[in-house]
Amino acid sequence: KNEVEQSPQNLTAQEGEFITINCSYSVGISALHWLQQHPGGGIVSLFMLSSGKKKHGRLIATINIQEKHSSLHITASHPRDSAVYICAVPIEGGSQGNLIFGKGTKLSVKP
Amino acid sequence: DGGITQSPKYLFRKEGQNVTLSCEQNLNHDAMYWYRQDPGQGLRLIYYSQIVNDFQKGDIAEGYSVSREKKESFPLTVTSAQKNPTAFYLCASSRMNVVAETQYFGPGTRLLVL
Repeated sequence: KNEVEQSPQNLTAQEGEFITINCSYSVGISALHWLQQHPGGGIVSLFMLSSGKKKHGRLIATINIQEKHSSLHITASHPRDSAVYICAVPIEGGSQGNLIFGKGTKLSVKP
Repeated sequence: DGGITQSPKYLFRKEGQNVTLSCEQNLNHDAMYWYRQDPGQGLRLIYYSQIVNDFQKGDIAEGYSVSREKKESFPLTVTSAQKNPTAFYLCASSRMNVVAETQYFGPGTRLLVL
C-alpha cells in the first residue's frame, strides 16, 4: 500500500521568503500531483509530474523517482499563497487513475 | 466556462435522514470521483465512476450510494447508515480514469448533522 507523507504540516513565512514543502511516498509511481486548497475549500491542480522539474510562475515542483521524493517550492512568497498544499500519488494496485493524498501542508504567509 | 459545480454549499442532515449532494461537470469528462475530507486527514475516495452507468466503491463507501445515469452528473447520497457524516465532500472529474490525468475539483459541500 502506498503511503504519502508531507512535511512540514504547518509552515509560517514572511512575505518574500523562499518556501519548500516536501512529499515522500513509499512505492514506485509513474506520476505525482501537487494540489492547492484555498481557505474556502476549493482545490486546484498545480502540477502533475513524472520526472525532473516543472515551473509555473513562482511555483517550482521537482521529483526524484529513485528517492521517492518530491518538493514544491514557492519563490518570493506572497500572502495570497496562503493555502493548504497537497501531494497525491496513484494508488498501488487500484484503478490507475485513483489517487492517495497526503494530509497537506498548511502555509501561512505574513505580510 | 467549463468546470464542476457542486450544490448545495452547506447541507444539514437530521438523524436518520438521507441527503443527496449534487455534482455536475460540463468538461465532457468520462471519469468522476467523490472524496471526503476530515480535519487533519487527506482526502479519501468514496466512489468513482469511469464511464456512464458504471461506478466502483472507493476506500470508504459504506453508508454512501451513487448513480451515474448521465455523463455530466454524479450525485452522492449520504444514507442514514453513515454514522459520522459530518465532513467536507469534494467531487472531481478527469478525462479518463488513468494515470497522469489531471483531476478537476468542484468547490465542495460541507455537510453538518443537526
